[in-house]
Amino acid sequence: AQSVTQLDSQVPVFEEAPVELRCNYSSSVSVYLFWYVQYPNQGLQLLLKYLSGSTLVESINGFEAEFNKSQTSFHLRKPSVHISDTAEYFCAVSAPGTAGGTSYGKLTFGQGTILTVHP
Amino acid sequence: ETGVTQTPRHLVMGMTNKKSLKCEQHLGHNAMYWYKQSAKKPLELMFVYSLEERVENNSVPSRFSPECPNSSHLFLHLHTLQPEDSALYLCASSQVPKDSGRHYNEQFFGPGTRLTVL
Repeated sequence: AQSVTQLDSQVPVFEEAPVELRCNYSSSVSVYLFWYVQYPNQGLQLLLKYLSGSTLVESINGFEAEFNKSQTSFHLRKPSVHISDTAEYFCAVSAPGTAGGTSYGKLTFGQGTILTVHP
Repeated sequence: ETGVTQTPRHLVMGMTNKKSLKCEQHLGHNAMYWYKQSAKKPLELMFVYSLEERVENNSVPSRFSPECPNSSHLFLHLHTLQPEDSALYLCASSQVPKDSGRHYNEQFFGPGTRLTVL
C-alpha cells in the first residue's frame, strides 16, 4: 500500500516570490509520482509526472519537481509565482499497473496544499 | 466536446430525492472512476470500472449506486442521501493496457458536480 503526506495545508506567498510545496510518500514498491493542480470550480489537471529517468521533471508553466528516492520526497517548486498560480495542488503516487483490468495502478492522493499568491 | 464532461455541475437535493450524476469521456479510455472530494479531506476513491467491469468498491454506502453501461459513460445514482454526503464528486478516466507490461495510470478528470444535500 502507498500513502502520501503533504506537509503544508496552506502556503501564502507574494507574487514573484519562490515557492516550495512539500510532498513525502511511503511505499513498499517503486512508484510513479504525480502533481495535480485544481483551480477554483474545476477538476484536477495533471501538472507533471515522474515515471523514470531524470529525477527532475518540469511543467510547461515553470513548475518543477524533484524525485528524491532516499528521502521519499517529490517536492514541487517554482522560482517566481504569479497570481494565476493560486490553486490547490495535490501530490499523488501510483504503483505500476499490470496486465488486464483489475490492476489499474491505483492513485493515492495527499490532502492537498492551497497555494495563495498575493499581489 | 473534449476530455471528460460531467452533468449537472451543481445539484441540490433533499434527503428523500433520487438523482443521478453523469460522466462522459471523449478520450477513448477504458477505465473510469468516481471520487468524492470533501473539504479538508484527501480525495476518496469510490468506484472504479476497468474494461467495463467494476474492479473497486471502496466500502461506499449503498445509497450510492454506480452504473457503467459502456466505456464512455459512467453514472452515479443517488438515493436517500445524508447531509454529510454533500461534496464535490469528480469523475476521471484513464487508459489501462490490455496486454502485458507495467504501466502508469494517468487519470484525466472532469470538472465535478457540486452536490448539496439538504
